[in-house]
Amino acid sequence: DTGVSQDPRHKITKRGQNVTFRCDPISEHNRLYWYRQTLGQGPEFLTYFQNEAQLEKSRLLSDRFSAERPKGSFSTLEIQRTEQGDSAMYLCASSLGSSGNTIYFGEGSWLTVV
Amino acid sequence: SQQGEEDPQALSIQEGENATMNCSYKTSINNLQWYRQNSGRGLVHLILIRSNEREKHSGRLRVTLDTSKKSSSLLITASRAADTASYFCATDYNAGNMLTFGGGTRLMVKP
Repeated sequence: DTGVSQDPRHKITKRGQNVTFRCDPISEHNRLYWYRQTLGQGPEFLTYFQNEAQLEKSRLLSDRFSAERPKGSFSTLEIQRTEQGDSAMYLCASSLGSSGNTIYFGEGSWLTVV
Repeated sequence: SQQGEEDPQALSIQEGENATMNCSYKTSINNLQWYRQNSGRGLVHLILIRSNEREKHSGRLRVTLDTSKKSSSLLITASRAADTASYFCATDYNAGNMLTFGGGTRLMVKP
């Protein structure tokens, strides 16, 4: 499978705990994106990387959210001190090159905060 | 607020009928992409149409773009029960390729 891979697919955590999601983009895609989607809504952009550089992070929902892509390949999205309102699906996507190329999404990671 | 808005929000048709979904957006775009999402799953890319294109086809799908009206439409011909899903338009209006999604159209195709 050469698509965008996300792990874990489902995560249930208690409020206040930290969670981390991993994304492996399509091989050789230099751009990697994170989105959040709540029930009944369209995905909402969070942040993106070009190679290892995080070029946009102002859309991250709060300072509890952070993302890394240390070697320009896989990426992690961490949510610290989770709240019930963080319950959503977190989608990773990747693309090759600059604007105008197709963006491919993974299957998403479902987060439930109880 | 979201850049794109789909219309209708929900659509129910019989198998074999055509389904048309519309998308309106607010600012000039570089391109517009349509995606399908089955319940609880990720997004599947359908078609990308650039701002200088007016129509694109892919199998049973036809997408049009009218930049003067800031709108796009997705037509699915000869629909099948397997087409039941949510359909989203997403606009790329800056150089970062950061897509902005609408709320989607929930399509149900009855066998």
